[in-house]
Amino acid sequence: GQQVMQIPQYQHVQEGEDFTTYCNSSTTLSNIQWYKQRPGGHPVFLIQLVKSGEVKKQKRLTFQFGEAKKNSSLHITATQTTDVGTYFCAGGTGANNLFFGTGTRLTVIP
Amino acid sequence: NAGVTQTPKFRVLKTGQSMTLLCAQDMNHEYMYWYRQDPGMGLRLIHYSVGEGTTAKGEVPDGYNVSRLKKQNFLLGLESAAPSQTSVYFCASSIDRPGSGNTIYFGEGSWLTVV
Repeated sequence: GQQVMQIPQYQHVQEGEDFTTYCNSSTTLSNIQWYKQRPGGHPVFLIQLVKSGEVKKQKRLTFQFGEAKKNSSLHITATQTTDVGTYFCAGGTGANNLFFGTGTRLTVIP
Repeated sequence: NAGVTQTPKFRVLKTGQSMTLLCAQDMNHEYMYWYRQDPGMGLRLIHYSVGEGTTAKGEVPDGYNVSRLKKQNFLLGLESAAPSQTSVYFCASSIDRPGSGNTIYFGEGSWLTVV
């Protein structure tokens, strides 16, 4: 069945360091979405990528969708304490639901 | 505009008890979902609905039932709670098929403990 793997599961960084999380799908995706969940909160939509090789930026966050549309990454430049939380990728295949990755929990040490 | 509202937010159940989690959305969304979130497991889909009167099984449906009698409401029932159902439950909705690029909006979560 459809699987979306995400690594790493946890990441601790010093404030100011960069952070990257990777997402890999077992099948080709039609789109990929990224969500952020703050500690004790609920997942909130960040961005969606649709095109092969697409790159999108939101301030210090850079999102990429692989050429084969089977992988994606989220890179945060110069992390801040406000970046703390769990980042989920979610792959779409045109079906009625998204396939969520297991998430990467980011801790930022001041 | 409240978005997706879940009740209750916290509940402690004894093994074997039953309960219903209520979810309401005011965005006129067709699609609604129930997920559970456990440490290290990410978000796992329990059941979903693609419109009023419809329900479908997700990845982990056993031990749960759902109903979508009204478009704005999606109920999740536990008939006989088990400790393995201790989890955080999220209701979510989407205006249309999220696999085709539509965003999912989550409620704030319901923390359920079964003792």
